Amino acid sequence: LAKTTQPISMDSYEGQEVNITCSHNNIATNDYITWYQQFPSQGPRFIIQGYKTKVTNEVASLFIPADRKSSTLSLPRVSLSDTAVYYCLVGDEGDTGRRALTFGSGTRLQVQP
Amino acid sequence: ETGVTQSPTHLIKTRGQQVTLRCSSQSGHNTVSWYQQALGQGPQFIFQYYREEENGRGNFPPRFSGLQFPNYSSELNVNALELDDSALYLCASSDWLGPTNEQFFGPGTRLTVL
Repeated sequence: LAKTTQPISMDSYEGQEVNITCSHNNIATNDYITWYQQFPSQGPRFIIQGYKTKVTNEVASLFIPADRKSSTLSLPRVSLSDTAVYYCLVGDEGDTGRRALTFGSGTRLQVQP
Repeated sequence: ETGVTQSPTHLIKTRGQQVTLRCSSQSGHNTVSWYQQALGQGPQFIFQYYREEENGRGNFPPRFSGLQFPNYSSELNVNALELDDSALYLCASSDWLGPTNEQFFGPGTRLTVL
């Protein structure tokens, strides 16, 4: 499984755009990139998944460059309720995701008023 | 649609005891995975069940065992509890044949071993 590297923590203010970058240098051809969000004392929640270029849903965008060795989760106009830990995961959609998710330590995002 | 539920929410045990944690998967999901999350760390995969069979296992000793029932609910059993077993135990359900690898997590059971 590809190892991921994320910043340990980030700070932002309400209304700002937050970009969290994840490095995954040894990503395999079949690997997808998935982001989860976790609030204290709750289970992680799926945010977004992508393979290449850009993916957007109602809560976030995911930018993946051509070499796929990194990815950036973009949260537009964050609010206090976006304070959480964000995990970047890399794995084969046909295998890892349905067998196990490998979580790193994640990025702790703190949003200030 | 009912989400993933876990019971109990909190549990206190002493070293050497045994514990059973329970999980009801989301409606329509046939796969259940269990994770252990220590304070300040990301969840660590324990094992996964698909159609009542263990389908994968992480780096956990045999005293961590599980079951999946015909209705796809699941149990996690831990024998001979150790202090380091204190953690949040998360259950996640998914559809093996689903279009994505999204897993749906329950709220967890907080286990404290004294």
